[in-house]
Amino acid sequence: GAGVSQTPSNKVTEKGKYVELRCDPISGHTALYWYRQSLGQGPEFLIYFQGTGAADDSGLPNDRFFAVRPEGSVSTLKIQRTERGDSAVYLCASSLTEVRGSSGANVLTFGAGSRLTVL
Amino acid sequence: DAKTTQPPSMDCAEGRAANLPCNHSTISGNEYVYWYRQIHSQGPQYIIHGLKNNETNEMASLIITEDRKSSTLILPHATLRDTAVYYCILKGVNTGTASKLTFGTGTRLQVTL
Repeated sequence: GAGVSQTPSNKVTEKGKYVELRCDPISGHTALYWYRQSLGQGPEFLIYFQGTGAADDSGLPNDRFFAVRPEGSVSTLKIQRTERGDSAVYLCASSLTEVRGSSGANVLTFGAGSRLTVL
Repeated sequence: DAKTTQPPSMDCAEGRAANLPCNHSTISGNEYVYWYRQIHSQGPQYIIHGLKNNETNEMASLIITEDRKSSTLILPHATLRDTAVYYCILKGVNTGTASKLTFGTGTRLQVTL
């Protein structure tokens, strides 16, 4: 598609439930990022994929959070045993792969996000 | 990546230039200055980036001081659609590791009639 697509746009769930959030990146973009944004804050990095592999998962807050990208395109962020503190907008972004040592723009294209509310 | 400091909010009259400052006194030699903005209920959107020379594109101009310790994003003729949170972000030249961007809290720009 023309942009990054995220589904669902809104998800309301109960504490303790399992949630999956999906991201369809721009075709041809090999890099994919997940961010989380709480009210009044800037986006907070969670995880970054280069192709199928997670190149950096240092932002995942704990082992309840997991993300996959099995075919190097669509990615799913999975949250187990949700807590009220997980309520936030989850943003996905994609970009072209940068060449090592390059000075080109690291232009991330973001989706509109999935708003998760845990009751 | 080094940290940036931005004012939490600014106002600008429609049609006037909006000048958004960013301090990055600990910037290192290989770090670029990036600007993104986030309109309400949307994801962040790339605006412009630069290293040490001033840059201009169809959206904005970026002025970086000679010592690179601060920069200013200029929207030459602000419109109501420019109301958004503007993020100034530093990012080093790609070393082959994750190219993530680290967002702060940004400047909330309100454009008024």
